[in-house]
Amino acid sequence: DVKVTQSSRYLVKRTGEKVFLECVQDMDHENMFWYRQDPGLGLRLIYFSYDVKMKEKGDIPEGYSVSREKKERFSLILESASTNQTSMYLCASSLGTGGIEQYFGPGTRLTVT
Amino acid sequence: SQQGEEDPQALSIQEGENATMNCSYKTSINNLQWYRQNSGRGLVHLILIRSNEREKHSGRLRVTLDTSKKSSSLLITASRAADTASYFCATDVHSLGRLYFGRGTQLTVWP
Repeated sequence: DVKVTQSSRYLVKRTGEKVFLECVQDMDHENMFWYRQDPGLGLRLIYFSYDVKMKEKGDIPEGYSVSREKKERFSLILESASTNQTSMYLCASSLGTGGIEQYFGPGTRLTVT
Repeated sequence: SQQGEEDPQALSIQEGENATMNCSYKTSINNLQWYRQNSGRGLVHLILIRSNEREKHSGRLRVTLDTSKKSSSLLITASRAADTASYFCATDVHSLGRLYFGRGTQLTVWP
């Protein structure tokens, strides 16, 4: 079974802090994704990566950056957390191209106070 | 936006009834997928239907796709309380790996 893990289920940070969200997948998937999910807005793509050291902006990249130094790990960085970044963050991975199914981690609920 | 839109936003039924959710999208697609999310958890892939397919079954799930109307439906037959969850459609437009998700339908199945 594909397993996607995220470093924390719940996280509370203060405004202005630098926040790291880590995601690890164990199935050698090329593609990795970071979404945020807010009530009524569905899933919005922040960044994605097709390969190591590659990154592409999604629909809402402002205020975020990412890092993919190893194939299995994709990190989301909030350079200076703000209260409007309070949200559920979901990581996903998928194999190659072709738009096949994505495998999701359990999510990190981030609260910025 | 290329995002799909599910309808209805919320659906409440009794156990044993069938649940039907719809998804509409705006651009041509390669495939359309349905996902399920239990409260506060990650999404789980349910079924994928390709643009050249019209209907697909998986257990109690039946998915249809009408590319001329740019719409899909997900039917869950003989619903159970354990089917209570949010259901999302997602479209593959460029076949490059990224998907476009809708806002979801919240299904509640009462025992």
